[in-house]
Amino acid sequence: NAGVTQTPKFQVLKTGQSMTLQCAQDMNHNSMYWYRQDPGMGLRLIYYSASEGTTDKGEVPNGYNVSRLNKREFSLRLESAAPSQTSVYFCASPIYNGANVLTFGAGSRLTVL
Amino acid sequence: AQRVTQPEKLLSVFKGAPVELKCNYSYSGSPELFWYVQYSRQRLQLLLRHISRESIKGFTADLNKGETSFHLKKPFAQEEDSAMYYCALSSGSGNTGKLIFGQGTTLQVKP
Repeated sequence: NAGVTQTPKFQVLKTGQSMTLQCAQDMNHNSMYWYRQDPGMGLRLIYYSASEGTTDKGEVPNGYNVSRLNKREFSLRLESAAPSQTSVYFCASPIYNGANVLTFGAGSRLTVL
Repeated sequence: AQRVTQPEKLLSVFKGAPVELKCNYSYSGSPELFWYVQYSRQRLQLLLRHISRESIKGFTADLNKGETSFHLKKPFAQEEDSAMYYCALSSGSGNTGKLIFGQGTTLQVKP
């Protein structure tokens, strides 16, 4: 019963490099979310997807792109990484369709040098 | 603007002492509020939500609309309560997972 799975768990990048964080949910839910967690800032919403094929900006979308190619997967891409994007990234999906209670992935710790 | 404020970065108490983690919010409508917890090396998970009015692991939280607060309380802290606690507010109309989180409070329960 994996729920929400994220890869990779850890990544170190150099400034300017690109990478994609992958997220998959096995609950057949419509909505998926990407948050970043920073000390003293809590979690902030980067992007979300209400359903397959749709995406919307959250609170801090600059520097990121997302893709929701199918119902199961929601990826987050950093085209040109910056040190300010050093963070822990969490993917999430509701516990059931329409719920505003989320189940989270294990997190992806990204360091940009 | 919608906001959630947790004024304490760190709360350190001894085992058996009462605990109160503070959460204040600003929201123009009828809020739905949550407490999430992240134990060491574990995923962020829901602890409780105000509409459930339940006690989870001995914790309770009451929504006070007059004071715009949703403080988390436990009468007798246990060492296993040590974790990061986030207060969160649902920002969308209807059911939506777009949550606004507070800054988080680390609870440290000393033996």
